[in-house]
Amino acid sequence: DAGVIQSPRHEVTEMGQEVTLRCKPISGHNSLFWYRQTMMRGLELLIYFNNNVPIDDSGMPEDRFSAKMPNASFSTLKIQPSEPRDSAVYFCASRPAGGPGEQYFGPGTRLTVT
Amino acid sequence: AQRVTQPEKLLSVFKGAPVELKCNYSYSGSPELFWYVQYSRQRLQLLLRHISRESIKGFTADLNKGETSFHLKKPFAQEEDSAMYYCALSPRSGGYNKLIFGAGTRLAVHP
Repeated sequence: DAGVIQSPRHEVTEMGQEVTLRCKPISGHNSLFWYRQTMMRGLELLIYFNNNVPIDDSGMPEDRFSAKMPNASFSTLKIQPSEPRDSAVYFCASRPAGGPGEQYFGPGTRLTVT
Repeated sequence: AQRVTQPEKLLSVFKGAPVELKCNYSYSGSPELFWYVQYSRQRLQLLLRHISRESIKGFTADLNKGETSFHLKKPFAQEEDSAMYYCALSPRSGGYNKLIFGAGTRLAVHP
């Protein structure tokens, strides 16, 4: 298994543009998580899904951010419109069902908004 | 409130020196605790979890419920240990699905 796959790995965009980040979880994992990592705030959970259903989106910073999981093998995180303060590394992670356990992280997408 | 505190942003030691990365948590129930590590330009990965009580790469961490701490220790640091270390808490509420991370501590091991 290639692990959690994220694309693109790097994204540079101008303020006001729409940005879409993509994630493919590990096959068979039924929980998916989106995190944002910045120097100032560290790793923050933005939203997570169980069985494709959003469970907790309390970490989504504002309405400009939205996430979807149309099926078990794909999720998107969209920012519209983007702002310079959205510049960060965005990680996707997945884990299988049941009890406490490891989350498997993707390589991250480094977003720069100019 | 559920919180993980890592008081040190940077820990700088020489090779062969002992290392202790501090982690304190705030949670009223019985959490599951983890240490994740991020080497330069690599993805975040699990280092160890408290329920396993195992030693990984020479690192150990003991849960102290009285002090609400889960410090990471290694008796002799190696240069390849240089990385970013995150302590994380998984609360029972929500079925242990979430991970709440501390701010992270950068460990720099010098030759």
